[in-house]
Amino acid sequence: SYELTQPPSVSVSPGQTAYITCSGDNLGDKYVCWYQQKPGLSPVLVMYQDRKRPSGIPERFSGSNSGNTATLTISGTQSTDEADYFCQAWDSIWVFGGGTKLTVL
Amino acid sequence: EVQLVESGGGLVQPGGSLRLSCVASGFTLSNYEVNWVRQAPGKGLDWVSYISGSGSTVSYADSVKGRFTISRDNAKNSLSLQMNTLRAEDTAIYFCARAQTVRASYYMDVWGKGTTVTVSS
Repeated sequence: SYELTQPPSVSVSPGQTAYITCSGDNLGDKYVCWYQQKPGLSPVLVMYQDRKRPSGIPERFSGSNSGNTATLTISGTQSTDEADYFCQAWDSIWVFGGGTKLTVL
Repeated sequence: EVQLVESGGGLVQPGGSLRLSCVASGFTLSNYEVNWVRQAPGKGLDWVSYISGSGSTVSYADSVKGRFTISRDNAKNSLSLQMNTLRAEDTAIYFCARAQTVRASYYMDVWGKGTTVTVSS
């Protein structure tokens, strides 16, 4: 079965750029989306089709996908961005990465 | 407001059954595909089941195949997840989520708040 791998945690200072990666075999051949989940809340879609932002998602969120790695980039990270982030792709079934906890120190 | 609201969770003994419901408001559910996704305590997201807009196509994760059944009632703008032969490992928050499948892009753009299922004796 297809697997997506994310680092368990990423730390960033306020105002700096955070990079959250998601790896999978030939992932660049698939579309990837990203969800943000804050404690006690439902996931929120923050990126779809690799690099498209849903309405209401700040421009500091951007995405890319090439080769075996997709990346969610958060520029000028704010304390409100602290959350768990999950990547997701489709390979005959819906597949999630294990999630990355973003800490803004 | 576009919204999904789940209900039906609770405490059930191993081997028991539960039926979860998901009701949509602010949009016509029959126009959309829907997934159930679960999250065990302190864990990540885990896809459970999918149903097409018409209900004619369904799919399940291997972990629930043969035990869970997804269905929808478009007249009531709702769908259900019948869960039988429940196991401790089915303990999780269960979310229903509106799915978008556009040109090989698959994502979920509206999520409910979830309903908690606890399987324990």
